[in-house]
Amino acid sequence: DTGVSQDPRHKITKRGQNVTFRCDPISEHNRLYWYRQTLGQGPEFLTYFQNEAQLEKSRLLSDRFSAERPKGSFSTLEIQRTEQGDSAMYLCASSLAHQGPYNEQFFGPGTRLTVL
Amino acid sequence: LAKTTQPISMDSYEGQEVNITCSHNNIATNDYITWYQQFPSQGPRFIIQGYKTKVTNEVASLFIPADRKSSTLSLPRVSLSDTAVYYCLVGVGGYNKLIFGAGTRLAVHP
Repeated sequence: DTGVSQDPRHKITKRGQNVTFRCDPISEHNRLYWYRQTLGQGPEFLTYFQNEAQLEKSRLLSDRFSAERPKGSFSTLEIQRTEQGDSAMYLCASSLAHQGPYNEQFFGPGTRLTVL
Repeated sequence: LAKTTQPISMDSYEGQEVNITCSHNNIATNDYITWYQQFPSQGPRFIIQGYKTKVTNEVASLFIPADRKSSTLSLPRVSLSDTAVYYCLVGVGGYNKLIFGAGTRLAVHP
């Protein structure tokens, strides 16, 4: 397995444009997470899916943000009408949900968004 | 999830042992302590997790005192490639989301 992949790795867009990012998790993982990270800060949770169901969304996820995970495999994160404050690294992670304490999340390389 | 406090930055030299301490005074009974490592332009990577006493793996050791209000990540004989940000996280085992603080920026010098 090649791990979590994200596409694109970099995206430059103009304010007001829409952007969409894709995340392909580790194949057998049923949980998929999105985080956002700005310079000098730790990642901030945005949302997560178990299979195709979106189970939690952060208040950071305004109505301009939408995430989907059709068929419980890959996921997309769309940002509509981008703003300069959306510039950040968007990280995707996946994990295998189980009852025990060990819940290691495997992160992708991220998509760096720059809004001009 | 319990709030954590850790140093903003640390410096070390190759071959030294590095200890990064994290305070989590209001840790709950069923909380676990987890450390992640992040290199520039990469996503975080799990290092180690523990509940009490000492845990050791091929990468690091985690020391947790009896009161569990703090924990120490120990990196033996660091190299330049250990330069990264280290995050301490506290939460219930199997929790759904990870809550990261600002982490500790470790710089290893030749």
